[in-house]
Amino acid sequence: EVQLVESGGGLEQPGRSLRLSCTTSGFTFGDYDVTWVRQAPGKGLTWVGFIRSRFYGATTQLAASVKGRFTISRDDSKSIAYLQMNSLKIEDTAVYYCARGRSILDYWGLGTVVTVSS
Amino acid sequence: EIVLTQSPDTLSLSPGQRGTLSCRASQSVSTSYIAWYQQKPGRAPRLLIYSASSRATGIPDRFSGSGSGTDFTLTISRLEPEDFAVFYCQYYGTSALTFGGGTKVEIK
Repeated sequence: EVQLVESGGGLEQPGRSLRLSCTTSGFTFGDYDVTWVRQAPGKGLTWVGFIRSRFYGATTQLAASVKGRFTISRDDSKSIAYLQMNSLKIEDTAVYYCARGRSILDYWGLGTVVTVSS
Repeated sequence: EIVLTQSPDTLSLSPGQRGTLSCRASQSVSTSYIAWYQQKPGRAPRLLIYSASSRATGIPDRFSGSGSGTDFTLTISRLEPEDFAVFYCQYYGTSALTFGGGTKVEIK
């Protein structure tokens, strides 16, 4: 069974950092791209970025709103993807989801809540 | 940048009725790059349709997608109680994804 589980969320102050993890199982992680999507309270879905598989050099693309502050990485030996969030802003408050794929997102995790507040 | 506009914002329907949801792109896109997701409160989104009209694994055939160019439609032929949720369309380009603002399908 394909599973993705996000962790690492919590309450953090503006300007600080958080690292989210997306721990996966049930599929060959290294063969797949991984996407991060967020959802602010009461709002719709917003794309954060993705990391391609090793076949495409594990390159990343990030949304303009987070470029320069967030990075995405992966550890294929552990089947985990990471979202490093630096210089957090209040507007980064959201539920963060990871999903398998970078175009068609066929499996999603349940999300982890990030709250940025002073 | 492609912008997706969904309408209506809210659709009030009764179980058994037909639901028609619209997604309009700001410029013409390939049908290969449009997907639809369903999200229930407190739950992760679920892939329903990809490539504009292909149903994802396990999705009932009462869900169907259609459209081309700038106008795409998700149709729910007969609403079941478990179908009431928010639906999002999505465009996937070569280097970014875009979601529409969502349509909430609520019980009338």
